[in-house]
Amino acid sequence: GENVEQHPSTLSVQEGDSAVIKCTYSDSASNYFPWYKQELGKRPQLIIDIRSNVGEKKDQRIAVTLNKTAKHFSLHITETQPEDSAVYFCAGRSTDSWGKLQFGAGTQVVVTP
Amino acid sequence: DAGITQSPRHKVTETGTPVTLRCHQTENHRYMYWYRQDPGHGLRLIHYSYGVKDTDKGEVSDGYSVSRSKTEDFLLTLESATSSQTSVYFCAISESDGRASEQYFGPGTRLTVT
Repeated sequence: GENVEQHPSTLSVQEGDSAVIKCTYSDSASNYFPWYKQELGKRPQLIIDIRSNVGEKKDQRIAVTLNKTAKHFSLHITETQPEDSAVYFCAGRSTDSWGKLQFGAGTQVVVTP
Repeated sequence: DAGITQSPRHKVTETGTPVTLRCHQTENHRYMYWYRQDPGHGLRLIHYSYGVKDTDKGEVSDGYSVSRSKTEDFLLTLESATSSQTSVYFCAISESDGRASEQYFGPGTRLTVT
């Protein structure tokens, strides 16, 4: 099955700087990689996703890149703001796991003013 | 937020008692999932359903059972709760077509087993 590792576990950035979170996956057949943001006491919210037929996807200040050869994908947040403070989870889905996602352990991002 | 509710939102129970958590959706989505969230472990899949009366195990299914008698409801039962089942439980749903992997989460249930 799929195994997803996420780094770093905590990330502190100054407001306005960029944040990068990296995930690696084990199953070369994986074809879908979503990112979720979870604020304290709230549900995980899907913020961006990427499928294996593209290498990069952007949505305003967030972007995700995928390197299939190296089996890793990354979340990039530019011009960070205090409201970006949250736990971010990456996930991967194998084509043989039928819609089931394997989540990384999460990254606590703290944006300091 | 997608039309997903969970009940109860908080529960404290004693070791050895049965507990049932309910997930209700108004989106008519085919797939439903139960996850547990613990510090350092992210979200781990307990059970999932791919249709009415069609369910299967996830990676941490021991001690849990599920049922789905209607499209809109997915129940998670702890037959005899243990302290290791203290956790936050999230239900998720996804559509049945090519967008099947986009999962949307409910608000969660915080369960404490004393």
